[in-house]
Amino acid sequence: DAMVIQNPRYQVTQFGKPVTLSCSQTLNHNVMYWYQQKSSQAPKLLFHYYDKDFNNEADTPDNFQSRRPNTSFCFLDIRSPGLGDAAMYLCATSRPQGQETQYFGPGTRLLVL
Amino acid sequence: EDQVTQSPEALRLQEGESSSLNCSYTVSGLRGLFWYRQDPGKGPEFLFTLYSAGEEKEKERLKATLTKKESFLHITAPKPEDSATYLCAVSSWGGNTPLVFGKGTRLSVIA
Repeated sequence: DAMVIQNPRYQVTQFGKPVTLSCSQTLNHNVMYWYQQKSSQAPKLLFHYYDKDFNNEADTPDNFQSRRPNTSFCFLDIRSPGLGDAAMYLCATSRPQGQETQYFGPGTRLLVL
Repeated sequence: EDQVTQSPEALRLQEGESSSLNCSYTVSGLRGLFWYRQDPGKGPEFLFTLYSAGEEKEKERLKATLTKKESFLHITAPKPEDSATYLCAVSSWGGNTPLVFGKGTRLSVIA
């Protein structure tokens, strides 16, 4: 089945230690998104790629970076995680048109010690 | 700025007790309204997309409807396995963000 895959499902890191989360997709969608979701809150968009075109949300901290080496893969790098970065990180994909549905992966739960 | 408000924040139902969840939205031209189901510790699962007022979609015990100002997710004769958080999101022609989410309604169905 076509899907969005996120690894790892759980990630524990230390305060200030860089961490990378990965996302892959078999849907062949042009657009990939990264969201941050904290407990009982709505998902918050961090950035998205339209093919290789990177779009950063205005309020996304510089501590968060992303890479998309090819259509299938996208990475979220947190350069110096703080305690406030502990959250669920969600990857989603869609076709490029504005009405297209976003399909989400299972998420990576990040814990910062 | 596009806004989505969901109510109630939490809803507790007895098994078989039908009810509706509300999603009110303010957008500069609606492209689409999306409903997702999210189980604890998992990513949102797509349920429905609605594009224009008057549109309705159904899936098992769920039915989504859309007006020019709000959407309802009707749950008929719910079962405990319907317990989850239901998220509503909108995409607009004039919006800066591809998808704007509401905070969700946390539904608990008690046997």
